[in-house]
Amino acid sequence: DAGITQSPRHKVTETGTPVTLRCHQTENHRYMYWYRQDPGHGLRLIHYSYGVKDTDKGEVSDGYSVSRSKTEDFLLTLESATSSQTSVYFCAIKSSGETQYFGPGTRLLVL
Amino acid sequence: EDQVTQSPEALRLQEGESSSLNCSYTVSGLRGLFWYRQDPGKGPEFLFTLYSAGEEKEKERLKATLTKKESFLHITAPKPEDSATYLCAVQPLRPQGGSEKLVFGKGTKLTVNP
Repeated sequence: DAGITQSPRHKVTETGTPVTLRCHQTENHRYMYWYRQDPGHGLRLIHYSYGVKDTDKGEVSDGYSVSRSKTEDFLLTLESATSSQTSVYFCAIKSSGETQYFGPGTRLLVL
Repeated sequence: EDQVTQSPEALRLQEGESSSLNCSYTVSGLRGLFWYRQDPGKGPEFLFTLYSAGEEKEKERLKATLTKKESFLHITAPKPEDSATYLCAVQPLRPQGGSEKLVFGKGTKLTVNP
């Protein structure tokens, strides 16, 4: 258990509405990541953070923004949700070496 | 382009029937290769990290090995509780920076019947 919690765990929203997902860690790790997981695709990196206020894009960042104002929290925002953003979202942290540890996930359904 | 291919997509074994899962990768340079286990409705659970060809790691009934082109996850005498999807990921080496991306395969769904 890497001390990662995600909230909400499940969310249903409508197209065009803003959505914010939260990742919280308790162990002061510098690196945090947001991934999405879809059938037929492997996990894909959306954004990551390497410190407070330091973030960078992953391979599927369009339509998403992130913020990290505190070490323990990494927020993922969908400014205007679309049906293509229906997915399972995982937060991860990097602990020893290069290994990433994942949270329990958030299931998002955009109608 | 960095790529990871896992085979087979699905594997059914009888309890006690040993087998191997394959992870083939194409990267310009390898910083690390990772194996995860994922149960339905849960996040990936870390199993192993391998950094260089020839390296091996073991944990209970699982053993991971690494060559310059592929990795194997060997499962010895599996039990029904080993049923899960096993994910492989590589971290490309980027001397110029930006090497935080993990490239994941699509996974192998393993079912072990009692």
